[in-house]
Amino acid sequence: DTEVTQTPKHLVMGMTNKKSLKCEQHMGHRAMYWYKQKAKKPPELMFVYSYEKLSINESVPSRFSPECPNSSLLNLHLHALQPEDSALYLCASSPREGMDTEAFFGQGTRLTVV
Amino acid sequence: AQSVTQLDSQVPVFEEAPVELRCNYSSSVSVYLFWYVQYPNQGLQLLLKYLSGSTLVKGINGFEAEFNKSQTSFHLRKPSVHISDTAEYFCAVGYNTDKLIFGTGTRLQVFP
Repeated sequence: DTEVTQTPKHLVMGMTNKKSLKCEQHMGHRAMYWYKQKAKKPPELMFVYSYEKLSINESVPSRFSPECPNSSLLNLHLHALQPEDSALYLCASSPREGMDTEAFFGQGTRLTVV
Repeated sequence: AQSVTQLDSQVPVFEEAPVELRCNYSSSVSVYLFWYVQYPNQGLQLLLKYLSGSTLVKGINGFEAEFNKSQTSFHLRKPSVHISDTAEYFCAVGYNTDKLIFGTGTRLQVFP
C-alpha cells in the first residue's frame, strides 16, 4: 500500500462551521505533513509531524488546528475560516523527517469557504 | 534566502517533440533535488530525485534530469512527450532543513 488517503475530496463550509480534514497512510511512515495550495501556486508547508509530535508549524493561524492521533492518521481541524482559506489542502507522508526522503502526497481536499 | 526558480510558467509543445523544463536553485551547498508532477485536481507524484551519486537521474514516465552543481540547475527532460504528459511540474529542493522548497511550477501543455 503506497497510498496517502485524504477525506473528504471536496468540502464546502461556512465561516462559522467547524470541520475536519482527515489523512491516513499505512506505509509505516513516521513523518506527516499538511500543505496548502492555492490555484496556480506551489504547495506551501503548514505543519510537520514527526513521530506523532508537531515539529514544524509555519506560523499558521490558530483557526487551523492539526492533530496526530497515531502514526497512521493526521487530522486538520478547521474553525472560523475565511474565504481566503479556500484552497487545495494536501497531506503527505515520508519514511522520516528530513529532506533526503521522498514525500508521498494524497490527492488533496478541495476546500471552499463561503 | 534559499529559493527555487522555474523560469518558464508555461511550456507548449507538440506531441512527440522533446521538452526541457528548467529549474535553478539558489545555493551550491549540499541539496536534495526533486521533480514532482501534478495532474488536474490531483496531489503531487514524484517523478525523480537526486540525492547523491550520478548526476543524470532517470525517473518514471520516460523523464530524466541532470544535476549541474556549477550552474545550480536541475533541468527536467523528455525526448518525446505524449498528450498524457500535460500537467503542472514542480521542482523542489531540500536544503538540509526539514522543509521542502517548491518552485512556482511549469505548466506543460502538449498539443496533438
